[in-house]
Amino acid sequence: DAGVTQSPTHLIKTRGQHVTLRCSPISGHKSVSWYQQVLGQGPQFIFQYYEKEERGRGNFPDRFSARQFPNYSSELNVNALLLGDSALYLCASSYGPTGELFFGEGSRLTVL
Amino acid sequence: GQQVMQIPQYQHVQEGEDFTTYCNSSTTLSNIQWYKQRPGGHPVFLIQLVKSGEVKKQKRLTFQFGEAKKNSSLHITATQTTDVGTYFCALPNAGGTSYGKLTFGQGTILTVHP
Repeated sequence: DAGVTQSPTHLIKTRGQHVTLRCSPISGHKSVSWYQQVLGQGPQFIFQYYEKEERGRGNFPDRFSARQFPNYSSELNVNALLLGDSALYLCASSYGPTGELFFGEGSRLTVL
Repeated sequence: GQQVMQIPQYQHVQEGEDFTTYCNSSTTLSNIQWYKQRPGGHPVFLIQLVKSGEVKKQKRLTFQFGEAKKNSSLHITATQTTDVGTYFCALPNAGGTSYGKLTFGQGTILTVHP
C-alpha cells in the first residue's frame, strides 16, 4: 500500500511569492496534519483537518492556509513568503483525529 | 502553554554502548508518543505509551512512562549503526482546540561510531 505522498519534494521560491504544497494520505485515513520542521528542531504543528473540516490550527500567521478535499487529500498554501519560511513541510495522516501519525517524505522549501 | 523538554540534545556513542533520551512535560499527559527520524528522512512512529508506569520493549528499545505521567524515557541497549537518527517524544494537546495536535520535543540526535 502507498504511504503518505507529498509534492513537490523540493522547491525554491523568492520572497513575496506564493507556494502550494500537496499531500495524499494513506488510503482510508481521514485526518491530515501539516507540520513545519526547521533544521535542527522538532516538527511544529500548523494545521489538522479531519473529515474535511479544520480541527486545529497552530501558532502560524494568516499567510498559512490549508484545506482538505473530498478524497481526503490536502493542500497547504503559504502567501507572501519570507526567508524564515524555509523549512521541511511535513504532511501526516492518521485514521482518526488522534493517534499514530504516518508522515510523508516532506516538501523542502527554500525561500531566497 | 504546554512545554516539553527533551535531553540530551546530542549523544555520541561507540557501537555497542547504551543510549537513553529523556522527555519531560510541564503538564500531566494522557499519553506520549516516540518517533525516530533518520538523517534526511521523515519521522517514523515508534510507540505510544498510555498507562502510568508503563514499560514497553521493542527488541533493543525500552520505553518507559513515568508514574506521574509527566515524563518518559527511551533506552537503547547495545547501539548499532542503524540506530543513528534523531529521537523525538511527542505530546498530545493538553486540551481545548487542536484536538489532534502533537507537540514535539527538540529531539535527541544520536550518532553511533563503529
